[in-house]
Amino acid sequence: GENVEQHPSTLSVQEGDSAVIKCTYSDSASNYFPWYKQELGKRPQLIIDIRSNVGEKKDQRIAVTLNKTAKHFSLHITETQPEDSAVYFCAASRSRTGANNLFFGTGTRLTVIP
Amino acid sequence: GAVVSQHPSWVICKSGTSVKIECRSLDFQATTMFWYRQFPKQSLMLMATSNEGSKATYEQGVEKDKFLINHASLTLSTLTVTSAHPEDSSFYICSARRDTRGYGYTFGSGTRLTVV
Repeated sequence: GENVEQHPSTLSVQEGDSAVIKCTYSDSASNYFPWYKQELGKRPQLIIDIRSNVGEKKDQRIAVTLNKTAKHFSLHITETQPEDSAVYFCAASRSRTGANNLFFGTGTRLTVIP
Repeated sequence: GAVVSQHPSWVICKSGTSVKIECRSLDFQATTMFWYRQFPKQSLMLMATSNEGSKATYEQGVEKDKFLINHASLTLSTLTVTSAHPEDSSFYICSARRDTRGYGYTFGSGTRLTVV
């Protein structure tokens, strides 16, 4: 099955700096890679996703890059704000086959220091 | 659109009792729903895939007789934790796909189960 690894497990940045979280996956058939933000006791919220036919996607301060050859994808948050503090999870999925559940990374606790 | 409602949001039960958690897709039909379990400060671990009208597919290590899943309609899946024990205390979250292409997973609000 799919194995998603995520680094770092914790990340502290100064407000205004950038934050980068990296994930690797093992299943070359995975073709959908969402990123979720989860606050304590709340549901994961999709913040951005990328499909395997795209190498990069950007939405305001958030961007995701995908390297299919190396099987890794990264989340980039620029101009971080205190409200960006949360746990972030990457995930991978084979969206077009029967085995299309999400496999999650281990999470990154991001702390933005004012 | 694409709202998933999960109830209850929290529940406390005694050891040995059973607890049912409901997951509803409010504005779309979900042929497939997923149940996850999340321990404090850990990731979401898939427990089972719930398919409307058929038996759920359980992940390795998840006891199907303990975690009963029923997906009787295109908008409702239930997870029943039977004979609950303190080690079953966890955050349970459901998810549903809002389109058949496999993209667009929507999560329920989660259920905090505490077994005393």
